Amino acid sequence: EPEVTQTPSHQVTQMGQEVILRCVPISNHLYFYWYRQILGQKVEFLVSFYNNEISEKSEIFDDQFSVERPDGSNFTLKIRSTKLEDSAMYFCASSERNTGELFFGEGSRLTVL
Amino acid sequence: SQELEQSPQSLIVQEGKNLTINCTSSKTLYGLYWYKQKYGEGLIFLMMLQKGGEEKSHEKITAKLDEKKQQSSLHITASQPSHAGIYLCGADFLTGNQFYFGTGTSLTVIP
Repeated sequence: EPEVTQTPSHQVTQMGQEVILRCVPISNHLYFYWYRQILGQKVEFLVSFYNNEISEKSEIFDDQFSVERPDGSNFTLKIRSTKLEDSAMYFCASSERNTGELFFGEGSRLTVL
Repeated sequence: SQELEQSPQSLIVQEGKNLTINCTSSKTLYGLYWYKQKYGEGLIFLMMLQKGGEEKSHEKITAKLDEKKQQSSLHITASQPSHAGIYLCGADFLTGNQFYFGTGTSLTVIP
């Protein structure tokens, strides 16, 4: 069964460092998303991406965040200069259409020290 | 603004008891989705509802969507410890590309 895969599963980084989280969406999907969940809190929308551009983003997705689809398979989330409060589980998702079921990856846990 | 509200926030039940979790939207949904999450882990898709009045069941879990497509309930019959986790409702709407999550319900089942 096709699935969304994310790497790394866990990353520990120093405050101020750049981090790239990688996602491989399901191959025929066209819409891609990043969500984050601070431990013990709700899952929050970060950004949606379609046709090689951001289609929507939340207030959380400020200038330190960027997304990219560098090739036909990967979808990345970059955090330029990490802060302590960026520590969270980051979920990638993809969908075939802009409405309908989102398929989520297992998540990448980011710990900023 | 909070698009989806879930209740209760947490639930502790004895094994074998039935329980219901509710999810309410401030506007009409396009689709309503239920996910389960083990603490600190990924999201497991449970069910999707798209038609008003729709009801779906999988094993001991039943989800319903009201006719107005603004409220859904998730009902677990004869709960077991394996049902423990965080239940999240999610929804998309006719406008916008965002998919929203509810606030989550933490379920503990005591053996």
